[in-house]
Amino acid sequence: AQKVTQAQTEISVVEKEDVTLDCVYETRDTTYYLFWYKQPPSGELVFLIRRNSFDEQNEISGRYSWNFQKSTSSFNFTITASQVVDSAVYFCALCQETSGSRLTFGEGTQLTVNP
Amino acid sequence: EPEVTQTPSHQVTQMGQEVILRCVPISNHLYFYWYRQILGQKVEFLVSFYNNEISEKSEIFDDQFSVERPDGSNFTLKIRSTKLEDSAMYFCASSDLLAGEREQYFGPGTRLTVT
Repeated sequence: AQKVTQAQTEISVVEKEDVTLDCVYETRDTTYYLFWYKQPPSGELVFLIRRNSFDEQNEISGRYSWNFQKSTSSFNFTITASQVVDSAVYFCALCQETSGSRLTFGEGTQLTVNP
Repeated sequence: EPEVTQTPSHQVTQMGQEVILRCVPISNHLYFYWYRQILGQKVEFLVSFYNNEISEKSEIFDDQFSVERPDGSNFTLKIRSTKLEDSAMYFCASSDLLAGEREQYFGPGTRLTVT
């Protein structure tokens, strides 16, 4: 069975603060893929990053960075110097090799960045 | 930049009526998906479609649901006899490789309201 847990339901920060969104996953597969999607108030789902289970290298893209740790089954997402436009629901998702093509999403974290 | 489109953006229907939600995936993509998101909840996988047949479906995707690719561009989700609990946002997605190997790109969604 595959499962994604985002324990933080809501996070509120003030602009320019750094914020980390946690994601913990469960899978029995050795080959799997992890994703982060952003859902702004307009409702669409915007792809942010994909990572496969064999690549534990952390990634940085502008103000965004991701920390993948297989030892703790975590794939955390950090926004540096947050901005009001970062306000959205962020979903972590898992696709395991033996489950075909389905993405299993976490419950999401509502991030509010206040000016 | 190519994108997935969905029509209509909002559909209101009465319980027991049939609805068809339409999607135009990205043109060179081969894998197509439907997900749904009940208001305030996580995104849930419904079905994946490849080579003109269903490749995988979830327990949510029961006999009242069907999918079709009637021509070379459209991908539809039909709900035969809608129930109140079918009210949700329905997202179409597509990818050029199997999910995991490549990210799924999501459309803007169709909000279905069943009254």
